[in-house]
Amino acid sequence: GIQVEQSPPDLILQEGANSTLRCNFSDSVNNLQWFHQNPWGQLINLFYIPSGTKQNGRLSATTVATERYSLLYISSSQTTDSGVYFCAVHGQLIWGAGTKLIIKP
Amino acid sequence: NAGVTQTPKFRILKIGQSMTLQCTQDMNHNYMYWYRQDPGMGLKLIYYSVGAGITDKGEVPNGYNVSRSTTEDFPLRLELAAPSQTSVYFCATGGGRGSPLHFGNGTRLTVT
Repeated sequence: GIQVEQSPPDLILQEGANSTLRCNFSDSVNNLQWFHQNPWGQLINLFYIPSGTKQNGRLSATTVATERYSLLYISSSQTTDSGVYFCAVHGQLIWGAGTKLIIKP
Repeated sequence: NAGVTQTPKFRILKIGQSMTLQCTQDMNHNYMYWYRQDPGMGLKLIYYSVGAGITDKGEVPNGYNVSRSTTEDFPLRLELAAPSQTSVYFCATGGGRGSPLHFGNGTRLTVT
């Protein structure tokens, strides 16, 4: 089956910093979504992005389907950005293990 | 508009007991999903449904059953609970491929 790898596994930044999270996948996919799980466990969809680039405020995402990776950019980080960021791909969604982001004030 | 509602929020079961996790959505979406999340891991798909009366297995269906008699409800049944089923269970709904998933707040289940 399709493998999904996310990097880095952990990231600690100061408030105001920028970050790039990466998602690699092992085969062609017809679906790719980024999610944020906040410290209380709630899951929020950030982007549906099987290809191309999208932006929503301080967050943007780019998927290069031919090279089998997606990037999530977070600019001017805030403490509320803390949590785990998941990439999920294909069909009914295969999930990576996530990147745990901690933003320090 | 509550979105996706899961009950209960927490539950402790003894080995061998059974229970039903409830999931209700008011978004009129055809697609509904049950995932489980083990500590430090991403989600794994248990079962999903593309509409009332239609269900299909996901990656980890063993030990679980589902039914979908209405668009709104998608209950997950655990028979003969085992410690390996200790996890957080999430229900989600979506409009199909190309639509974002909307999640409930989860049910934290412990089997001892």
